[in-house]
Amino acid sequence: QVQLVESGGGVVQPGRSLRLSCAASGFTFSSYGMHWVRQAPGKGLEWVAVIWYDGSKKYYADSVKGRVTISRDNSKNTLYLQMNSLRAEDTALYYCVKGSGNYHTNWFDPWGQGTLVTVSS
Amino acid sequence: QSALTQPPSVSGSPGQSVTISCTGTSSDVGSYYRVSWYQQPPGTAPKLMIYEVNNRPSGIPHRFSGSKSGNTASLTISGLQAADEADYYCSSYTDTDTWVFGGGTKLTVL
Repeated sequence: QVQLVESGGGVVQPGRSLRLSCAASGFTFSSYGMHWVRQAPGKGLEWVAVIWYDGSKKYYADSVKGRVTISRDNSKNTLYLQMNSLRAEDTALYYCVKGSGNYHTNWFDPWGQGTLVTVSS
Repeated sequence: QSALTQPPSVSGSPGQSVTISCTGTSSDVGSYYRVSWYQQPPGTAPKLMIYEVNNRPSGIPHRFSGSKSGNTASLTISGLQAADEADYYCSSYTDTDTWVFGGGTKLTVL
């Protein structure tokens, strides 16, 4: 079955960087667009970024644009999120999510269990 | 990229039906059939319940249905059960090649 396992979260000071990873298995990773979605403690879901199946296109939420880079290594079935200049408002549980198609995503399924990022001094 | 508008909470008794609305704009919900709904019980990851406005993934009960009219999508849950108690989120593709979620609706089964 499809599995998405995030890692890399932790406590980081404001202004510092962090790289999240998502190990995928159970499907042909290189054939699907992949997303990061986050959820601040006690808050709703916020879409963060998408990368097309071949890495050729990437799109970001305005709230993270210029500070975050999504990437993937199809040879390792792994998705990444490089986060720079972290702010307190970036504190959230970050979910790795499989898109429904190679570039056009019509729905998000499944979701990983998430990795928690806490930005605090 | 403003969040889609959902009611903060809805409630119903077992066996009843409830409808959760999700209002966007002509730049998202109003222009695309890429509207989906997710269920999130406390402490768990979201789960896909409805995709492309009104389609159920395999294993999702027929009690869950979706629809759309103009800029507003809706999720209806009939024959409410205690197990349905959770947060529900809508999502839509937008005309800037991004996605947006609703603020979430807490469903309470009385």
